[in-house]
Amino acid sequence: LAKTTQPISMDSYEGQEVNITCSHNNIATNDYITWYQQFPSQGPRFIIQGYKTKVTNEVASLFIPADRKSSTLSLPRVSLSDTAVYYCLVGGYGGSQGNLIFGKGTKLSVKP
Amino acid sequence: ETGVTQSPTHLIKTRGQQVTLRCSSQSGHNTVSWYQQALGQGPQFIFQYYREEENGRGNFPPRFSGLQFPNYSSELNVNALELDDSALYLCASSLWGNTEAFFGQGTRLTVV
Repeated sequence: LAKTTQPISMDSYEGQEVNITCSHNNIATNDYITWYQQFPSQGPRFIIQGYKTKVTNEVASLFIPADRKSSTLSLPRVSLSDTAVYYCLVGGYGGSQGNLIFGKGTKLSVKP
Repeated sequence: ETGVTQSPTHLIKTRGQQVTLRCSSQSGHNTVSWYQQALGQGPQFIFQYYREEENGRGNFPPRFSGLQFPNYSSELNVNALELDDSALYLCASSLWGNTEAFFGQGTRLTVV
């Protein structure tokens, strides 16, 4: 499974847009890029998933360049409640490739 | 709420004892995975069950074992507990091969 690299921590202020970039140089052809959010003492929560170009849902946007060696999670107008750890994962569909391999994630701190 | 429930929420055990943790999957999901999360770390994949059989295992010793039942609920058993087994244990349910997984709140295990 492809390894991911993302910043250990980021700080932001309420109302700002936050972009978290993840590197995955060895991503395989059938790998999808998935982001999870985790609050303290809770299980991770699925945010968004994509394969290429741009994906947007009610929570976030995911930008994936043509070479797919990186991806950027964009959180519009963050609030204090967005303070959490954000994990970037890559993995394929089908069979045991559904296993999720988490790194250390990016700890986002949103300040008033 | 994800529909995935875990029990108990907290547990204290003595080194050398055995423990069983339980997970009820989200309705319609046929795959369950277990993760161990130490403080300050990302979740580490233990194993995954599909059709009541283990499909994929992380770097955990045989004293970590599991079961999946016909109703897709699951158990994680850990024998001969060690102090380093103290962690948050997370259960995630999904459809087979899908990287969009739904996590429970976890069981906080403390080994003393």
